[in-house]
Amino acid sequence: AQKVTQAQTEISVVEKEDVTLDCVYETRDTTYYLFWYKQPPSGELVFLIRRNSFDEQNEISGRYSWNFQKSTSSFNFTITASQVVDSAVYFCALSERPRWDMRFGAGTRLTVKP
Amino acid sequence: EAQVTQNPRYLITVTGKKLTVTCSQNMNHEYMSWYRQDPGLGLRQIYYSMNVEVTDKGDVPEGYKVSRKEKRNFPLILESPSPNQTSLYFCASSLFPGASSGANVLTFGAGSRLTVL
Repeated sequence: AQKVTQAQTEISVVEKEDVTLDCVYETRDTTYYLFWYKQPPSGELVFLIRRNSFDEQNEISGRYSWNFQKSTSSFNFTITASQVVDSAVYFCALSERPRWDMRFGAGTRLTVKP
Repeated sequence: EAQVTQNPRYLITVTGKKLTVTCSQNMNHEYMSWYRQDPGLGLRQIYYSMNVEVTDKGDVPEGYKVSRKEKRNFPLILESPSPNQTSLYFCASSLFPGASSGANVLTFGAGSRLTVL
């Protein structure tokens, strides 16, 4: 069963637009971790954020922000004032007990046009 | 530099010819894992290892073998590759995901693109 759903397969925006990438997860546990990774065109996987299930505070890092809502099982990622360098595939992932193995969504390909 | 190193980065092979993709990490991580990435499917776990001599199946283990004889190395073996194993493979490592520390951030290798003809 799909544990992490990223419904947006591809998004295209123009530079300086704000964009939100959606992530919905599924778990019965109360203790879990959520992640976002970025995969730029060069192919490597870059860690962006880890959030544990007990911390629902939103987080902001520069132009990036994350909105974690347990009530809707969502962990959405917003890029403010997007730039061409933000073009990448973004993966949301869930890690839960007992194995803590990371389950990835299918990814959202973001294209930012100049 | 802390890193996960995979080799080869690119490989074209033929059906049935055994191959090994090596993975090595220099961070003294207990946990290592292999993923394959396919379009529309994200990354799916093949095998993982919690420590030396401890390995277990992930979601898509068929057609693959692994071994963990040393802490730093975690090779992926395709005994008899088939075209459906054409994919992009990633090795990753992290600190031990124990109950007290929870899930740890995975550090990924650069990826190995495998084509099986």
